[in-house]
Amino acid sequence: GAVVSQHPSRVICKSGTSVKIECRSLDFQATTMFWYRQFPKKSLMLMATSNEGSKATYEQGVEKDKFLINHASLTLSTLTVTSAHPEDSSFYICSAREETGTGSNQPQHFGDGTRLSIL
Amino acid sequence: KQEVTQIPAALSVPEGENLVLNCSFTDSAIYNLQWFRQDPGKGLTSLLLIQSSQREQTSGRLNASLDKSSGRSTLYIAASQPGDSATYLCAVRLGTYKYIFGTGTRLKVLA
Repeated sequence: GAVVSQHPSRVICKSGTSVKIECRSLDFQATTMFWYRQFPKKSLMLMATSNEGSKATYEQGVEKDKFLINHASLTLSTLTVTSAHPEDSSFYICSAREETGTGSNQPQHFGDGTRLSIL
Repeated sequence: KQEVTQIPAALSVPEGENLVLNCSFTDSAIYNLQWFRQDPGKGLTSLLLIQSSQREQTSGRLNASLDKSSGRSTLYIAASQPGDSATYLCAVRLGTYKYIFGTGTRLKVLA
């Protein structure tokens, strides 16, 4: 079945570092991908919608300059946390919409997540 | 604004019990509803997806129902096992393909 690969699975780095997380659709094309953030023992919160070939659409309250999203190809979206600080530590999960079928029948597949820890 | 709530927030049951997890959403204009399982520190595993036109879906010991008009879904787990211990999330898909996730139910099945 369709698989979404997210890399890396875990990152530990110093404050001030910029960190890039990749989300790849392995056997399908995805013009739309989504980035979620999950705080400890909390649910997933949508951060932004990544659109291939155009700018991402950010949810209210999400800093565009802090969380840079690039969707340069039909199989890859990247999320860069710029100048990361301890409060950016979280679990980040991406998903990709598989464009088969129509409307509500288009499945969405989730990556395994990236745990980001900023020291 | 769509809000998704799950009750209970946590549940601890002895092995073998049948149990029901509840999910409610405020706006019935959804495309589908999906139930996920999340193990600690891991990503999401899709369990069941119910299209807006459907009433229920079944997979093995799992059965999910959807009452769109009342904004409710339930996940029924039959004959629970310790391996079922995890956090269960429900999510509704909007027309923009966004998913809005519920608050989750942390399940512990005791051997």
